[in-house]
Amino acid sequence: SYEVTQPPSVSVSPGQTASITCSGDKLGDKYACWYQQKPGQSPVLVIYEDNKRPSGISERFSGSNSGNTATLTISGTQAMDEADYYCQAWDSSTVVFGGGTKLSVL
Amino acid sequence: EVQLLESGGGLVQPGGSLRLSCAASGFTFSSYAMSWVRQAPGKGLEWVSGISGSGGSTYYADSVKGRFTISRDNSKNTLYLQMNSLRAEDTALYYCAKVPLDYGDRRNFFDPWGQGTLVTVSS
Repeated sequence: SYEVTQPPSVSVSPGQTASITCSGDKLGDKYACWYQQKPGQSPVLVIYEDNKRPSGISERFSGSNSGNTATLTISGTQAMDEADYYCQAWDSSTVVFGGGTKLSVL
Repeated sequence: EVQLLESGGGLVQPGGSLRLSCAASGFTFSSYAMSWVRQAPGKGLEWVSGISGSGGSTYYADSVKGRFTISRDNSKNTLYLQMNSLRAEDTALYYCAKVPLDYGDRRNFFDPWGQGTLVTVSS
């Protein structure tokens, strides 16, 4: 079965750019999306179709997907961005999530 | 505003059954596929099951195939998950989520999510 892999944790200083990767075999041939989940809250979609932002999501969030890696980039990272982030891909009517990345804003 | 409200969770013994419900509002329920996603305590997200808008097509993760059944009642705007032969590893917060495109569309994603209902399988 298809799998995607994320680093367990990423740290970033306030105001800097954070990059969270999601790796899978030929992931670039699929579409990747990203969810943000803060403690005690439900996941929220922040990027879909590799690089599209839903209404209401800050322009600081962007995405890319090529080769074997999708990347979520958060520019000008703020304390409020501290959360768990999950990538997701759709594979033959089944769904694959990455294991999640805890973003720490230090 | 789209709203999804899950219910039906609780404590159940191993081998037992439980039926979850997800009441939807704010959109034309029958026009959209839906899905269940779960999250074990302190763990990541795991897709469980999905269903087409008409209910005619259903999809399951290998971990629940043969034990769980997804269904929907479009007249009641409600999604269900019948869970049988429950195991300790099924303990999780179960979310329902709206699927914006035809279920087989690889551009798909989940938006929005409900608040979840907790299922605990323990003796």
